[in-house]
Amino acid sequence: DAKTTQPTSMDCAEGRAANLPCNHSTISGNEYVYWYRQIHSQGPQYIIHGLKNNETNEMASLIITEDRKSSTLILPHATLRDTAVYYCIATGNQFYFGTGTSLTVIP
Amino acid sequence: EAGVAQSPRYKIIEKRQSVAFWCNPISGHATLYWYQQILGQGPKLLIQFQNNGVVDDSQLPKDRFSAERLKGVDSTLKIQPAKLEDSAVYLCASSLNTRSYEQYFGPGTRLTVT
Repeated sequence: DAKTTQPTSMDCAEGRAANLPCNHSTISGNEYVYWYRQIHSQGPQYIIHGLKNNETNEMASLIITEDRKSSTLILPHATLRDTAVYYCIATGNQFYFGTGTSLTVIP
Repeated sequence: EAGVAQSPRYKIIEKRQSVAFWCNPISGHATLYWYQQILGQGPKLLIQFQNNGVVDDSQLPKDRFSAERLKGVDSTLKIQPAKLEDSAVYLCASSLNTRSYEQYFGPGTRLTVT
């Protein structure tokens, strides 16, 4: 199962785009990349997922490199409510959250 | 659409006591998960059910933890006897089926073992 590597923490100014990177260099061809976030004291929340192509929904965009070894989650206009821990997960036999990236949106 | 319900929200017990958590998934969701989240860590999968059958319980400490989903809907997770290191938030999640990793999480139960 592919494991992911994310920076421990990041800051982003309110209103700017937040770009959260994820490395999944051992991902196999049939494994998806999923992103979740967890706001303090709440359960994780699904954001977006993808396999090969870039994806966009009302919450975020997911950019996956052509070799699929890394991806970037983009929150186009970060707000204070986007402050959370963001988890990048490569699916496989087990759904492994890791420790994620703690994003702080600064006013 | 009602979300995943969990109870209780908080529980404090002494070590060696037993405790049970309850989860009601989103209606129609066949797959149910229990996670343990220790402070400062990401959620760790304990057990996954598809309807009333176990799909994965490889990380469940079976000497003290048990879980069931008898009618394929509600589920209970039990710890007996509890240890100090069991202090954590226990999260329940559900998804349409095992092919979807789009999981919906409940608010969790915060367990403190003293």
